[in-house]
This record gives sequence, C-alpha cells and structure tokens, in this order.
Amino acid sequence: DAKTTQPNSMESNEEEPVHLPCNHSTISGTDYIHWYRQLPSQGPEYVIHGLTSNVNNRMASLAIAEDRKSSTLILHRATLRDAAVYYCILRDLRRETSGSRLTFGEGTQLTVNP
Amino acid sequence: GAGVSQSPSNKVTEKGKDVELRCDPISGHTALYWYRQRLGQGLEFLIYFQGNSAPDKSGLPSDRFSAERTGESVSTLTIQRTQQEDSAVYLCASSKRTHRTNEKLFFGSGTQLSVL
Repeated sequence: DAKTTQPNSMESNEEEPVHLPCNHSTISGTDYIHWYRQLPSQGPEYVIHGLTSNVNNRMASLAIAEDRKSSTLILHRATLRDAAVYYCILRDLRRETSGSRLTFGEGTQLTVNP
Repeated sequence: GAGVSQSPSNKVTEKGKDVELRCDPISGHTALYWYRQRLGQGLEFLIYFQGNSAPDKSGLPSDRFSAERTGESVSTLTIQRTQQEDSAVYLCASSKRTHRTNEKLFFGSGTQLSVL
C-alpha cells in the first residue's frame, strides 16, 4: 500500500492560515487523498478528500501537486478549536477490502496559539 | 440525528477477564469498523463489516479478539482473557457504504479500556 509522510507537529497562531503538508511519493493513479482530524478525547472526523484537482469545502481546502506526490491541507484562518491531530490517508477504491478501510498513520499534531 | 454511540465510555478490568464493547452505528449505515488507538499513537484497524458480506477480520491481533454484528445494527467487540497490552481506546465508525466509494466515516468517541 502507498504510504504517507507528515511532520509530527506544527504550530500556528490564531486567525492565521495553516498549511499542513503530506508527502505520498508512491501514490498510484487510483489513490484518493483523504484528510481526517482528531480533536482531543474524540474520534476522528472527516475533513476533505480529492483525487487530482484542488478541492474546497466549508472546513478547509486541499491543494494537490500536479504530479500527485504531495498535497497540502489549508486551514484559511486557524481557530483554537482547530487544534487537533491531522491525518493524511490514501484510499484505493479498486481494492475489494483494503480500499474500504482507512489506514491511519501518526498524523500531524497542530497547536494553535492564541 | 444521533451519531455513532459507544458504550461504555470507560471500562476498567482485571487482567484475565473478558470484556464486551458495544457500538451503535448511525441508522442506515451499512458499513461498520472497529479501530484501536494506543496512547499517543495512530489508529490501528481491527475489523470491518459491510452489510451481509463476510467481515474483514484481517486486523484482529489475536484469537482473543472477536466481533459480531447483527444485520446493519449494533456491533459488539469482545476481548477474552484481557492483557495489559490491550489497554487502549477502542473506536467504532460507520458509513453509508464503502465498497468502492468515498463515503466518509463517522466515528464514535470511543471506549477507554484499562486492564490492571
């Protein structure tokens, strides 16, 4: 399975943009890029996903490199509530079973300073 | 509407005892997952149910672990003869269906299991 690499931790200031990087140099053409985040003492929650084009939703934006070997999750204005562990995950829907489950790595711990 | 509900939220048990953890998925969700998360680590996949298909048990760490699901409703994760290394948060997630789709997973808040 293709693997993702994320920094262990990042810091940001409140109301500033945050760019969370993810490297996936062995990504296959059918891997979707998913992002989830986990707030303290909670289960993970979905943030965004994409395949090739950049994606925007109410929570964040996902910028995907042209060669798809890296992507960046963008929080446009960080709030204290955005402090969480952010997971970048690849999902290959061709696979009968392994494509159905999500494989979580260690993620990036984001600290937001007031 | 209600989200994924897990019970109990906390469970303390003695080494060697059996425990049962319960998950109530979101109504109408056919896919259900169990994950384990040790302190300070990422999530570890345990088992996946999709409708009436045979479950994917490839993540269960030993034969002490088992899980059942009745139809598309409640699931129970059972750990027999608990060991201290079983201490972790056990997370359940559900989704509408995930076979070859990008349906998002919805997670419960987990059961914190402590084995003394």
